[in-house]
Amino acid sequence: RKEVEQDPGPFNVPEGATVAFNCTYSNSASQSFFWYRQDCRKEPKLLMSVYSSGNEDGRFTAQLNRASQYISLLIRDSKLSDSATYLCVVNGREGQGGKLIFGQGTELSVKP
Amino acid sequence: DVKVTQSSRYLVKRTGEKVFLECVQDMDHENMFWYRQDPGLGLRLIYFSYDVKMKEKGDIPEGYSVSREKKERFSLILESASTNQTSMYLCASRDPVTGSPLHFGNGTRLTVT
Repeated sequence: RKEVEQDPGPFNVPEGATVAFNCTYSNSASQSFFWYRQDCRKEPKLLMSVYSSGNEDGRFTAQLNRASQYISLLIRDSKLSDSATYLCVVNGREGQGGKLIFGQGTELSVKP
Repeated sequence: DVKVTQSSRYLVKRTGEKVFLECVQDMDHENMFWYRQDPGLGLRLIYFSYDVKMKEKGDIPEGYSVSREKKERFSLILESASTNQTSMYLCASRDPVTGSPLHFGNGTRLTVT
């Protein structure tokens, strides 16, 4: 089992749609969770951290479910500019210091 | 704002050359990382360093080495470049104490011919 797994995608949605991505992780002791966004041929950029109680930033909502060991990202009212690859990131096993593990990424394409 | 700077945006090297990729961060972060990213394979960790002169192998260290002589600088070395090392290389840094996210440089696209 991979340490961090994401929905394979691609997700093709119309403008204005609501779309959700899930990401499962294998290390129950993980404490840090993030969603990154990566545009084509660019470096990943932090979209949002994920907190235990869940958190929202405008149209984006992140949730953490420790019991089932997954995090989710919800995007409401999708815009064309949301088209990108979304990467789920989780800190690694104990003893690996600050090592973060990336999921493979989920590609989102928002169409007019 | 954290700044991670990679020395080259694009690089073309010949097979067998020794290649140095440099990365500098300005936030006094203890942890620094080198990833490569290839289509369909996602980001794969090559090496990381959790302090000066300290390093640890990532998932794909073969054919690479690293150097961290100063806290702000983390170098990736391809001892003898090969065509299968053609890739996008991304450097990142992080403060593990605060649990901060990774901050990436803008990447080096290396082509080995």
